[in-house]
Amino acid sequence: GQNIDQPTEMTATEGAIVQINCTYQTSGFNGLFWYQQHAGEAPTFLSYNVLDGLEEKGRFSSFLSRSKGYSYLLLKELQMKDSASYLCAVADYKLSFGAGTTVTVRA
Amino acid sequence: SQTIHQWPATLVQPVGSPLSLECTVEGTSNPNLYWYRQAAGRGLQLLFYSVGIGQISSEVPQNLSASRPQDRQFILSSKKLLLSDSGFYLCAWSVLGEASGNTIYFGEGSWLTVV
Repeated sequence: GQNIDQPTEMTATEGAIVQINCTYQTSGFNGLFWYQQHAGEAPTFLSYNVLDGLEEKGRFSSFLSRSKGYSYLLLKELQMKDSASYLCAVADYKLSFGAGTTVTVRA
Repeated sequence: SQTIHQWPATLVQPVGSPLSLECTVEGTSNPNLYWYRQAAGRGLQLLFYSVGIGQISSEVPQNLSASRPQDRQFILSSKKLLLSDSGFYLCAWSVLGEASGNTIYFGEGSWLTVV
């Protein structure tokens, strides 16, 4: 089985940076994923990490440390449209999701 | 490009009634297919997954069932709905890729309210 922990809520100001941490415990590891989910909508894929290090995609970056069972999603230059829930997910033979972190961006 | 479509988008069903949610994927062959459920304020729970036609794995015991009659078609069913079956149901697909692992892509979702 897997245990995936991430904060429930975070609030930040437009233009700022927010870092969402995720810790996990898993018996097997085939990658860590981050998804964005706006209220009432389906999740959309943001990033995938399978090796240690930082993956950058525009304003979003994701970091992985397999030895520590730790990842973070970094959102830079926050925009109002970034207000959403961010889901950390870990793959062994299946993909299991954390409960999500609701990020609220304020003007 | 690949697309996934599921329907209906919303439905309100009485307790004890049957359920059928359907999902189809276009633009890929032999995908892995999944049904997830998201209860209000909770995380995504994997219900079923399928690696091929007629192959269904159930993750959680429940009164739901799944079938895969064709390569790109996945159906979620119930003979008698319970109040606890209410939630947001998501169909998803994946194909193992070198650069993206087994990234899962979701359909639009179906909101089910059992009354």
